[in-house]
Amino acid sequence: DTEVTQTPKHLVMGMTNKKSLKCEQHMGHRAMYWYKQKAKKPPELMFVYSYEKLSINESVPSRFSPECPNSSLLNLHLHALQPEDSALYLCASSQDYASAGGPADTQYFGPGTRLTVL
Amino acid sequence: AQSVAQPEDQVNVAEGNPLTVKCTYSVSGNPYLFWYVQYPNRGLQFLLKYITGDNLVKGSYGFEAEFNKSQTSFHLKKPSALVSDSALYFCAVRDPSGGSYIPTFGRGTSLIVHP
Repeated sequence: DTEVTQTPKHLVMGMTNKKSLKCEQHMGHRAMYWYKQKAKKPPELMFVYSYEKLSINESVPSRFSPECPNSSLLNLHLHALQPEDSALYLCASSQDYASAGGPADTQYFGPGTRLTVL
Repeated sequence: AQSVAQPEDQVNVAEGNPLTVKCTYSVSGNPYLFWYVQYPNRGLQFLLKYITGDNLVKGSYGFEAEFNKSQTSFHLKKPSALVSDSALYFCAVRDPSGGSYIPTFGRGTSLIVHP
């Protein structure tokens, strides 16, 4: 099973709201990622968690707050977003992160959450 | 530094004809190369990868890609295109000797297969 699930599928929020995106995988992967993707553009890396610890934060504004409660779950907490934050938010996982390659490198993506900020 | 280029924004092909989606890369060492496909309003799906070994890599849905070190290319191919292959295709590269553990994605190529 190479499935990564994400909820909700769609989210509409105002600039003063607080919401959370959720991601789950049961492949035993130890690396999890958040990406932001604008229409017809490549995904942009936001955060990487490795063994439940934040390994990379690509200078993401503090209105995005990631959380990794356990090895299967990844959350992205949203607060005071701007309309330009509207995008598809993708979660991905891989077997490992800082490894020598092979199967550990393959990232498996969830279907994404389509976020609209009004 | 690692980088990848997909020179075509869009590729048009008739159903039943062979298709090629181009990808070239730049790394300092030996690359790890990946192809992903994205259908509308969906996440990226892994198609195939090259790490080492045979230069011709076979992947999902009848796709294959050939690693060409001299031309620094990793073009995606399929002998006979289907309308259902219409999607956005991303090439990605990682340079394990460059100290980066995260792949860099190309800008994407939109493949349109006409009936």
